[in-house]
Amino acid sequence: GDSVTQMEGPVTLSEEAFLTINCTYTATGYPSLFWYVQYPGEGLQLLLKATKADDKGSNKGFEATYRKETTSFHLEKGSVQVSDSAVYFCALSDRGGSNYKLTFGKGTLLTVNP
Amino acid sequence: NAGVTQTPKFRILKIGQSMTLQCTQDMNHNYMYWYRQDPGMGLKLIYYSVGAGITDKGEVPNGYNVSRSTTEDFPLRLELAAPSQTSVYFCASSYPVRQGNEKLFFGSGTQLSVL
Repeated sequence: GDSVTQMEGPVTLSEEAFLTINCTYTATGYPSLFWYVQYPGEGLQLLLKATKADDKGSNKGFEATYRKETTSFHLEKGSVQVSDSAVYFCALSDRGGSNYKLTFGKGTLLTVNP
Repeated sequence: NAGVTQTPKFRILKIGQSMTLQCTQDMNHNYMYWYRQDPGMGLKLIYYSVGAGITDKGEVPNGYNVSRSTTEDFPLRLELAAPSQTSVYFCASSYPVRQGNEKLFFGSGTQLSVL
C-alpha cells in the first residue's frame, strides 16, 4: 500500500537557519505530493504541492521538488523564522487509488528560536 | 470566515460512554472527512462523504458511525468508547476532488481521552 515516511522530529533551529525536512514515499501508482502545515491550536492547511516528476512546489519561502528517481519530496527553506514553528506533514494522493483520501506521514515538529 | 468548525475541543469519556463529535463547514464543500491522529502517527481516515446522504468507510472505521443529512454538517458518533479511541480527531472538507487538487480545509481538532 501507499506510505509516507518523514524524518523524526522534533527539529529545533535558530532564526535564519536553513531547514530541510526529509520525506520519502511508496506508492502503487503515480502520486501527487503535498506538504501540509499545522500551526499551534489550528487545523492543517496546505502549504505546497507537486503533481508530476521534477515539479517544484513553493509557498511562503518553502520549496519541495518531486523526485521520482529517489521517491522523495523534501521540504526546504533558506531562512526560517520564529513564525514557522509548527508541525509539518508530508502527504500523497495516489493516482491509482481513490481520489478521496490522502496518505499522511507522521508529522515533524519544528521549533524556531529567536 | 469560520471555515471548518469542530466541537468540542477537548473531552474525557469513560469506557462504554457514547458521544458525538460535531463538524460543520460554511464553504459549501461537497466532500467531508474525519481523520484521527494518534501520538507519533500520521492521520488515518475514518469516514468520508462526497455529498449529503452519501458516506463511506475509510481506513479505520470500526467503532464509529457518521451521517450526512446536510451539506454543512458531518457528525462523528462513538457508540461505546474504548481506550483505543483516545486520539485527536480532525474534520476536513474540500471541493470535489480530482487528482492533484486535493486541497483539504481542516478544523482545529478535538482531543478525546477515554479512561
